[in-house]
Amino acid sequence: GDSVTQMEGPVTLSEEAFLTINCTYTATGYPSLFWYVQYPGEGLQLLLKATKADDKGSNKGFEATYRKETTSFHLEKGSVQVSDSAVYFCAVEGGTYKYIFGTGTRLKVLA
Amino acid sequence: GAGVSQTPSNKVTEKGKYVELRCDPISGHTALYWYRQSLGQGPEFLIYFQGTGAADDSGLPNDRFFAVRPEGSVSTLKIQRTERGDSAVYLCASSFGGRRETQYFGPGTRLLVL
Repeated sequence: GDSVTQMEGPVTLSEEAFLTINCTYTATGYPSLFWYVQYPGEGLQLLLKATKADDKGSNKGFEATYRKETTSFHLEKGSVQVSDSAVYFCAVEGGTYKYIFGTGTRLKVLA
Repeated sequence: GAGVSQTPSNKVTEKGKYVELRCDPISGHTALYWYRQSLGQGPEFLIYFQGTGAADDSGLPNDRFFAVRPEGSVSTLKIQRTERGDSAVYLCASSFGGRRETQYFGPGTRLLVL
């Protein structure tokens, strides 16, 4: 079945540092890929998505590119802020409508 | 506009009791999903409705779990004879229903079984 592997956290960075959170997936066909973010005390929010190979999703300075050849969808941000501290989830939807989520990566940004 | 709402936000119950969790999807969304998120884990799929019918209930862990959506809008997740292992955050999401449509999540119901 479909699966997602995300890098384990926590990830601790200083403000303005570069962020990469790795995500690889297993799915047949042409799945859609998502990054969701969960801020402390809040629900899951869609951060960005991509629905076909080589698509780049972007939002709030975050980017991720759908790489079919490496089955990856790594999340990047050039300069993180304290307000980016949250848990980030990678997810895949492989044609069955249900999302398969990774275990989440906690990011802590220090001022 | 209004997002997905879930009630109650927190529920504490005793082992063996029955609980109902409610989800009110975004207006116009035909698809509705339930997920369960245990501490430190990502959400896990439970059940998916398209309209009034359950299109995929393969994620329900056992027959103590049941969900309905009688009018194609509000949904209720029902758990009978609760067990301590059922303690988790139960998330509801809705979408326009087509493949590749984004799912929008509610804030969740935190269930604690004592």
